[in-house]
Amino acid sequence: IQMTQSPSSLSASVGDRVTITCRASENINKYLNWYQQKPGKAPELLISGASTLQSGVPSRFSGSGSGRDFTLTLNNLQPEDSATYHCQQSYTTPLSFGGGTKVEIK
Amino acid sequence: EVHLVQPTAELKKPGESLRISCQGSENKFNKFWIGWVRQMPGKGLEWVGIIYPFDSDTRYSPSFEGQVTISADKSINTAYLQWDSLKASDTATYYCARSVTSSGSAYESWGQGTLVTVSS
Repeated sequence: IQMTQSPSSLSASVGDRVTITCRASENINKYLNWYQQKPGKAPELLISGASTLQSGVPSRFSGSGSGRDFTLTLNNLQPEDSATYHCQQSYTTPLSFGGGTKVEIK
Repeated sequence: EVHLVQPTAELKKPGESLRISCQGSENKFNKFWIGWVRQMPGKGLEWVGIIYPFDSDTRYSPSFEGQVTISADKSINTAYLQWDSLKASDTATYYCARSVTSSGSAYESWGQGTLVTVSS
């Protein structure tokens, strides 16, 4: 299953709302996960099952979607949100990731 | 909290063999699936494969099948990723990560990654 993520990068200001999309090449139900990765660090799970926020993740992060189209929304962007965000389908093996979206703070 | 411990870095020459490890910090390690993920320099994440240490059930990405071997030793809570003959193009950071199932669940815990550098 191919995962297409867009945009590949974006620049936004503190307090902005940011939206990242991920499209699967076929129906993956709600088996879509989002990870945050900061430079030199391992990815960290933000959202599983398309919309379930992991414990400790700020509520300004949210996920939505099902089937083929999914969205990660960051409300009230903060400086610490500067990172690369990856989507991943866990519907079936081989699992697959999107190309990543680098979020920069202006 | 489960910790997955990986060596920080390995430096090898083309043609050499290598096995990198991923050790879990608790006995429940054997009841979860351990996946391997590659990240080439400046690039995205690529799924390599996954193993269930309890019975060594293993799945590979078609892109990596035949290129690497995934194994595990449940007696020491450790999974491995192995190359028989490294190429320069194998240079990357390799992460291990834990999930409840082989598919259907997310990677909730990650190792810190092993930077594998293959250079003559």
